[in-house]
Amino acid sequence: KQEVTQIPAALSVPEGENLVLNCSFTDSAIYNLQWFRQDPGKGLTSLLLIQSSQREQTSGRLNASLDKSSGRSTLYIAASQPGDSATYLCASQNRDDKIIFGKGTRLHILP
Amino acid sequence: GAVVSQHPSRVICKSGTSVKIECRSLDFQATTMFWYRQFPKQSLMLMATSNEGSKATYEQGVEKDKFLINHASLTLSTLTVTSAHPEDSSFYICSASLGTATYEQYFGPGTRLTVT
Repeated sequence: KQEVTQIPAALSVPEGENLVLNCSFTDSAIYNLQWFRQDPGKGLTSLLLIQSSQREQTSGRLNASLDKSSGRSTLYIAASQPGDSATYLCASQNRDDKIIFGKGTRLHILP
Repeated sequence: GAVVSQHPSRVICKSGTSVKIECRSLDFQATTMFWYRQFPKQSLMLMATSNEGSKATYEQGVEKDKFLINHASLTLSTLTVTSAHPEDSSFYICSASLGTATYEQYFGPGTRLTVT
């Protein structure tokens, strides 16, 4: 049974710093790995999707990597801004559509 | 823990027909429910936000007359795909939240819709 873990649960970083959020999964037979941003009471905003055959994806200041063999994905945020404060979720999906979400990392960027 | 169910898990329908997907929070009252869809090789995309007793808020590009959302109770939201077409074939997933101030969302298992 797939388990997705995100550590730490919360993180505070001064504005301008680069940071890395971690996501680990127990079953490497994934179809894709997705990263989302969540603001309080709002729906998820898709950030990046990495197919199982890919190693990384980039969008603006965000870069996500995937290492299936070690069961890890990271989300790198460059030059953090206060507007980046949110909860970040990763989710693995298998070929049968099943999506397993991590519990998220709550990020707070200090002005 | 909080459990959200979806029904059906898979459905095949003919073009022009309507399909209803149910999302239920089984052991908690969900003030807010969200509907997402996922096209092949793409990420989940938010379609609409539904608050109990009020009209749903749709994301840009989502046709409200085509995707009817009803959130009549604190434990049930339905998504009806009206006059379905093959391009509506997708994976639809709902999530439920306890309220506007919370981060926690609980996801259903999803519904695979195929329109022939």
